[in-house]
Amino acid sequence: DTEVTQTPKHLVMGMTNKKSLKCEQHMGHRAMYWYKQKAKKPPELMFVYSYEKLSINESVPSRFSPECPNSSLLNLHLHALQPEDSALYLCASRGTGGGARETQYFGPGTRLLVL
Amino acid sequence: DQQVKQNSPSLSVQEGRISILNCDYTNSMFDYFLWYKKYPAEGPTFLISISSIKDKNEDGRFTVFLNKSAKHLSLHIVPSQPGDSAGYFCAAGNSGNTPLVFGKGTRLSVIA
Repeated sequence: DTEVTQTPKHLVMGMTNKKSLKCEQHMGHRAMYWYKQKAKKPPELMFVYSYEKLSINESVPSRFSPECPNSSLLNLHLHALQPEDSALYLCASRGTGGGARETQYFGPGTRLLVL
Repeated sequence: DQQVKQNSPSLSVQEGRISILNCDYTNSMFDYFLWYKKYPAEGPTFLISISSIKDKNEDGRFTVFLNKSAKHLSLHIVPSQPGDSAGYFCAAGNSGNTPLVFGKGTRLSVIA
């Protein structure tokens, strides 16, 4: 099983709303990621969690707040977003141990529209 | 400074022929390379990978070649099918959980 699941699939929110994106994997991966992707661009790294600890924050505005409740779950809390934050938000996970065990798998994404 | 480059933004290939997508990298510390396929508004799907200790990895219609001295890898798809029409991203990484570095992608169109 190489599945990473994300909910919701689509989200429309106003600039004053608070919402959360959820991600789950059961591959035993200890590294989980949030990416933002705009059309025709590569995924842009936002956050990295390694063994449930935030290890990388790529200077993401504080209106995005990640959370890793356990080794299988990753959340992204959204508050006071701007229209330019509209994008596809991708979760990914990656194993350790070298070689094919380090393949990174992506979820299907949450398509976010901020009005 | 782009560490992973895909210099062709788009590629058109006739159905049944070979598609060759190219990727160059600059960081000699990369030891693991991956190709992802992506449809619009969907997450990237892992296609195939190669470790730096190999120069070729094959999986069905997909073959990845690695030329370490040239810091170049390529993805060959043969025969190309209309369903292969998508975006293709090259990514590179190394052991130790440093984040993958992605190229900007190549849009492949397979014409029937």
